[in-house]
Amino acid sequence: AQKVTQTQTSISVVEKTTVTMDCVYETRDSSYFLFWYKQTASGEIVFLIRQDSYKKENATVGHYSLNFQKPKSSIGLIITATQIEDSAVYFCAMRPDTNAYKVIFGKGTHLHVLP
Amino acid sequence: EAAVTQSPRSKVAVTGGKVTLSCHQTNNHDYMYWYRQDTGHGLRLIHYSYVADSTEKGDIPDGYKASRPSQENFSLILELASLSQTAVYFCASSPGTFSQNTLYFGAGTRLSVL
Repeated sequence: AQKVTQTQTSISVVEKTTVTMDCVYETRDSSYFLFWYKQTASGEIVFLIRQDSYKKENATVGHYSLNFQKPKSSIGLIITATQIEDSAVYFCAMRPDTNAYKVIFGKGTHLHVLP
Repeated sequence: EAAVTQSPRSKVAVTGGKVTLSCHQTNNHDYMYWYRQDTGHGLRLIHYSYVADSTEKGDIPDGYKASRPSQENFSLILELASLSQTAVYFCASSPGTFSQNTLYFGAGTRLSVL
């Protein structure tokens, strides 16, 4: 079965600190793609960052980075120097290589950044 | 400019009525998707399409039909709306190729079935 699990339903952090959101996935595919998306309070969903399974180096975009641990089927999202506007719901997603059209989403983690 | 546009943004429908949600993209993407979002369930795939005039079932297709008359347009049809179909619906597009498979979402349609 292919599955994406986010166990943290809600996290609260103080502004300017670092937060890590967890995500584990299940797939039998040897090649796959992992994504993080952000849903803002307005409902808009935007792509943040992506990790290709065959790449060993962790992806980094701005103040977002990934902690990819392939043996543990884990892809954590790290946000450094958090800002109030980072408050949102973050979805982890996986696209297995055997199905180019199917993206499987986790249930999301709600991040609250406090002043 | 929004490259994936959904209409309407919100709709109230009666049980048993027909509902059509529309999606238009200007990304020139081949792949389009309809997702449903419910509290506590994340995003679930209803239907998708990778070419005009063809649609495929996703994970929760029951009660929904889809139509892709052109590359730009993708509709979701509820022939007989039910209370359980109250949700937020998102359309998305993607290039779909091996290396370019990021999803680009519309703003969503909030559907309430009464």
